[in-house]
Amino acid sequence: AQKVTQAQTEISVVEKEDVTLDCVYETRDTTYYLFWYKQPPSGELVFLIRRNSFDEQNEISGRYSWNFQKSTSSFNFTITASQVVDSAVYFCALSEARLTTGTYKYIFGTGTRLKVLA
Amino acid sequence: DAGVIQSPRHEVTEMGQEVTLRCKPISGHDYLFWYRQTMMRGLELLIYFNNNVPIDDSGMPEDRFSAKMPNASFSTLKIQPSEPRDSAVYFCASSQPGTGNNEQFFGPGTRLTVL
Repeated sequence: AQKVTQAQTEISVVEKEDVTLDCVYETRDTTYYLFWYKQPPSGELVFLIRRNSFDEQNEISGRYSWNFQKSTSSFNFTITASQVVDSAVYFCALSEARLTTGTYKYIFGTGTRLKVLA
Repeated sequence: DAGVIQSPRHEVTEMGQEVTLRCKPISGHDYLFWYRQTMMRGLELLIYFNNNVPIDDSGMPEDRFSAKMPNASFSTLKIQPSEPRDSAVYFCASSQPGTGNNEQFFGPGTRLTVL
């Protein structure tokens, strides 16, 4: 069965600190996708990144970086030099891809609330 | 593209009333998803459609909930009769996995309050 675990319920950091949000997943499929979404206080869900199971290259986008490790079934998210605007709930998600049946279900983690203090 | 559009943005109703939430997916997206978000249960998938056909409705809480997608550009989620425990934010999302970029794009949500 699919499962996404975000063990950190809430993290508080002081501005300019680095912070890593953990995501551990379970799946039996060999082809799958992983995502991170951001939900700021305004409530919308914003897509941040997608990773497929065949691409273990880490990715950096500005102050954001993602570390995908299949060996530990983890897809962690690091914010460097955090800012107050980074305060949000961050969700990790897993999607198995069964194109022949049209099933494309997403499983979201419970989210990590990040508070960046000025 | 305007993104996923949901209406209304806020709905306040009384217990027992019928509530209809609406969603317009991004043009060209084959998949449409309805989610519910509450503090207690987090983000729950209610139902999703592929090419207007419901694929999995196992997340629909009970018979009071129903969803339709009469065409590729419109979907509704109906609650009849509504109950206070249905109060939540309801999100609609769409995606186009056939392109390999299967991330979901979410609408702004409808905040439902049932008194």
